[in-house]
Amino acid sequence: QLHLQESGPGLVKPSETLSLSCKVSGGSISSSYYYWGWIRQPPGKGLEWMGGIDYTGRTYDNPSLKSRLTISVDTSKSQFSLNLKSVSAADTSVYFCARISTWNYVQYWGQGILVAVSS
Amino acid sequence: QSVLTQPPSVSGAPGQRVTISCTGTSSNIGADFDVHWYQHLPGTAPQLLIYGNTNRPTGVPERFSGSKSGTSASLAITGLQAEDEADYYCQSYDSGLSGVLFGGGTKLTVL
Repeated sequence: QLHLQESGPGLVKPSETLSLSCKVSGGSISSSYYYWGWIRQPPGKGLEWMGGIDYTGRTYDNPSLKSRLTISVDTSKSQFSLNLKSVSAADTSVYFCARISTWNYVQYWGQGILVAVSS
Repeated sequence: QSVLTQPPSVSGAPGQRVTISCTGTSSNIGADFDVHWYQHLPGTAPQLLIYGNTNRPTGVPERFSGSKSGTSASLAITGLQAEDEADYYCQSYDSGLSGVLFGGGTKLTVL
């Protein structure tokens, strides 16, 4: 069974960079049948697609975050990562990593990690 | 504001049938991109309920069904149970955004 585990700091200061990683276990990160992504949920709000990446490094961007967001993949470590720069309180969210099928639906989710942006 | 529009809330009594709508545009649902549905309980990861408009993953009860027509899609839940109380999200792909798109979510209350 595929397992995704997010890791990173639970608190980030405003204007700094939020960095998270997602470790993939129980399956291969390298396949053309799916890609990997980040989805977040601000407190009391809905789900927001942030962006994705496949094992070749091709990215799938959300235009609203493109200028601040970098997603990378390290196939040797079976993980992918997110860097969101210049964060503000509006970036406080639960961040989920996910595996997305080529039909563009989420097949597997991580448990989520709460990241607060506060000084 | 999400481009996929869902009602903020719906409710029903145990045993009843409820539907949740998801209205899109010509760049997503209307462009013949598939619609998928997730159930989300607070504090947990969302779970896939319906994929490819009408397909249920293994383990999802037949009480849950999906449909799509034109620029809209719907999730129907029959034989409502207390455990169905959750947030439900539709999701599709948008050609203008060139990416995944979620609806705003609908809170289902079982009376």
